[in-house]
Amino acid sequence: AQTVTQSQPEMSVQEAETVTLSCTYDTSENNYYLFWYKQPPSRQMILVIRQEAYKQQNATENRFSVNFQKAAKSFSLKISDSQLGDTAMYFCAFTITQGGSEKLVFGKGTKLTVNP
Amino acid sequence: GAGVSQSPSNKVTEKGKDVELRCDPISGHTALYWYRQSLGQGLEFLIYFQGNSAPDKSGLPSDRFSAERTGGSVSTLTIQRTQQEDSAVYLCASSLVRLAGGSGNEQFFGPGTRLTVL
Repeated sequence: AQTVTQSQPEMSVQEAETVTLSCTYDTSENNYYLFWYKQPPSRQMILVIRQEAYKQQNATENRFSVNFQKAAKSFSLKISDSQLGDTAMYFCAFTITQGGSEKLVFGKGTKLTVNP
Repeated sequence: GAGVSQSPSNKVTEKGKDVELRCDPISGHTALYWYRQSLGQGLEFLIYFQGNSAPDKSGLPSDRFSAERTGGSVSTLTIQRTQQEDSAVYLCASSLVRLAGGSGNEQFFGPGTRLTVL
């Protein structure tokens, strides 16, 4: 099965603190890419960070970083110095290469609330 | 220059009616994807276009769903004889062409169409 599990339906954090969102996945792909997308109330999906599975080095993007454990099929997102604008749904996803496409398989999301 | 656009933003229809949802991808993006997001769920893949052809239709839930793309640009998702379970947000995404072996190109999403079937 090709699935993504986000075990935390909701989380909250105080402004300026650090929070980690968990994600595990199952895939039979040998080469794939992992993503975290953010979806604010506007519904617009925004890419937060991207990781190539064949790279051991964890990706970082400003305040956002990942802990990628390939053997454990774990891909958690750490948000440092949380800001009110980080309040959103966060989706973990990976690519399946099929029929020429790189379609994304998504988890059900984690609703993150940053409190002032 | 703008991002992916979708229309309408919201659509309310009666059960049994047909609906058409439109997607305008980013200029130059040859890959186009449709996803469906049901309430409280993640996104579910529907169909993939490369140019005007659709080599992966594996996510379409029934033959009531179809899609086309013309001129390598605008795409239309059509749902015939809508049912209440079709109520969801339909999202379109576009990306640069996938290179051989995979590229993990970022998919840029539109704001979606919220479809409500009464």
